Amino acid sequence: QQQVKQSPQSLIVQKGGISIINCAYENTAFDYFPWYQQFPGKGPALLIAIRPDVSEKKEGRFTISFNKSAKQFSLHIMDSQPGDSATYFCAASSLSGAGSYQLTFGKGTKLSVIP
Amino acid sequence: DSGVTQTPKHLITATGQRVTLRCSPRSGDLSVYWYQQSLDQGLQFLIQYYNGEERAKGNILERFSAQQFPDLHSELNLSSLELGDSALYFCASSHDRQGAGDTQYFGPGTRLTVL
Repeated sequence: QQQVKQSPQSLIVQKGGISIINCAYENTAFDYFPWYQQFPGKGPALLIAIRPDVSEKKEGRFTISFNKSAKQFSLHIMDSQPGDSATYFCAASSLSGAGSYQLTFGKGTKLSVIP
Repeated sequence: DSGVTQTPKHLITATGQRVTLRCSPRSGDLSVYWYQQSLDQGLQFLIQYYNGEERAKGNILERFSAQQFPDLHSELNLSSLELGDSALYFCASSHDRQGAGDTQYFGPGTRLTVL
């Protein structure tokens, strides 16, 4: 059972445009929602994260929008640049009874920003 | 650079063999998480160790095991390898101390190829 659904699978955006990636989750116990960026041959790197007590978080060109009632969150990349071309993963976690914050990942979105 | 190191970077072996992957967490981080990344399954949580003790298990096969040593480095042991075990294996580390948050920092990964 996939607990975090991510779309689209791939995305092509013109330089300067807005990239939007969406995720939906099922487990209402999730309370931490990070986005990771992964370049080929590298490990995932934390980009930005949000907790459900806020509806939006912005860091530079990257914004997370969070809709708790719909159990959805999205990543917006403003003024997309060719250097943003990478695979983006949404994830979610909650503190388990064992004291673990294991992450459940979406399947990833391959973003290509064309000049 | 996340501060998490993994060795080796690449590993090529044959079916039925046993390999050991090594991870050194960021300085001060007590938790190590292991993830498997394959094309069809995405990033899957395998197992977590916290300060030397196993804390949580995910989709880890019985042929796989892990441990965390007193110096907090961790090893993931994969035995009786099958073709389907070919994947990228990542470790991540975090503080996981009470109230300290749960941001996970990923290493560069080990690419395992089973022939």
